Amino acid sequence: DAEITQSPRHKITETGRQVTLACHQTWNHNNMFWYRQDLGHGLRLIHYSYGVQDTNKGEVSDGYSVSRSNTEDLPLTLESAASSQTSVYFCASSGGLAGKNIQYFGAGTRLSVL
Amino acid sequence: KNEVEQSPQNLTAQEGEFITINCSYSVGISALHWLQQHPGGGIVSLFMLSSGKKKHGRLIATINIQEKHSSLHITASHPRDSAVYICAVSTGNQFYFGTGTSLTVIP
Repeated sequence: DAEITQSPRHKITETGRQVTLACHQTWNHNNMFWYRQDLGHGLRLIHYSYGVQDTNKGEVSDGYSVSRSNTEDLPLTLESAASSQTSVYFCASSGGLAGKNIQYFGAGTRLSVL
Repeated sequence: KNEVEQSPQNLTAQEGEFITINCSYSVGISALHWLQQHPGGGIVSLFMLSSGKKKHGRLIATINIQEKHSSLHITASHPRDSAVYICAVSTGNQFYFGTGTSLTVIP
């Protein structure tokens, strides 16, 4: 069965370190998204990609970067982790036109920056 | 101001009750989505709709485009329905999410 997986599921890191969160999907979807979820906020878009070599900034992209070298993977990198980036991170993917198709979500990565 | 507002924020119901969760939005949309997030954290899509009404089992979603409003109904609620229900709208290639409604169904 097709799926979308995130790793690690939990991560503790120190302020200033570089961290990479992995997202891998086997749906063969063109569209991939990274969100963060914090108390009092809905899911907020960090970065998204509509295909290989395509990346776009979302609402809260400062301090994050992504690259899309193949269809299956969209890793999220925190260049220099900050305590404000402690959050739960979700990756999602969808096919077709991004705005007209449902998204499939990974199980999430809980990141703590100390 | 949030593009998507949900009400109520929290809801407790007795098993068997009929439940309604509301969603209002302020932007033009391609589609509206209802998502479910279980206590373990996973998020699944329940419905995507751009007009009218959709039904899946005991869940019913409706949308009124003119009023920019959607409702999610759960008939004969069950403790396993306890979860956070999230309304989201897609406009062009952007998604906007509500903060969710936390539902607890008591046996």
